[in-house]
Amino acid sequence: GAGVSQSPSNKVTEKGKDVELRCDPISGHTALYWYRQSLGQGLEFLIYFQGNSAPDKSGLPSDRFSAERTGGSVSTLTIQRTQQEDSAVYLCASRGPLGGPVTGELFFGEGSRLTVL
Amino acid sequence: QQPVQSPQAVILREGEDAVINCSSSKALYSVHWYRQKHGEAPVFLMILLKGGEQKGHEKISASFNEKKQQSSLYLTASQLSYSGTYFCGTDVTGTASKLTFGTGTRLQVTL
Repeated sequence: GAGVSQSPSNKVTEKGKDVELRCDPISGHTALYWYRQSLGQGLEFLIYFQGNSAPDKSGLPSDRFSAERTGGSVSTLTIQRTQQEDSAVYLCASRGPLGGPVTGELFFGEGSRLTVL
Repeated sequence: QQPVQSPQAVILREGEDAVINCSSSKALYSVHWYRQKHGEAPVFLMILLKGGEQKGHEKISASFNEKKQQSSLYLTASQLSYSGTYFCGTDVTGTASKLTFGTGTRLQVTL
């Protein structure tokens, strides 16, 4: 597609349930990022993928959070046993290879808004 | 560690200028600036690389003081369309593998 696509755009779940959030990056983008944005807050780094590998998982808040990427394309962020404090907008971004015309530009998706009741 | 942005919020009249600052406690390879309008995804504005190279928006300029680990974004002759929240993202790795964003500066431009 033309841009980064995320689904679902909105997810309401009950505390304790598991959720999966999906990200389709721009075709050919090898780098993929997940960020979390709580209401009125900044962008909190969660995880970065280069290809299918995640060299930096330092931002994942707890072991309830996991992410994978397959085929160097689609990524899934999974939150197990959701808690109310997990409520936020989860943003995915992708980036082309460094050294391109605009080195390092991230293209963000519209985000997945998660509400945990 | 998260960079610090100032001011937290600013209100301008159309045509006025503004400066948004971003400061880090760590040595930086690059600073990235994004703007997010309410309910929308952040959009790239500018990247400033170690060594002075800049790439990005035509009507917005920025500076990067490597020694002080500071960057400033200059918005001149502001337009209504400039309204939004501005974020700086800092890269300490040189590979943009982890951009750490500040808490943002909310800018509102009025008539």
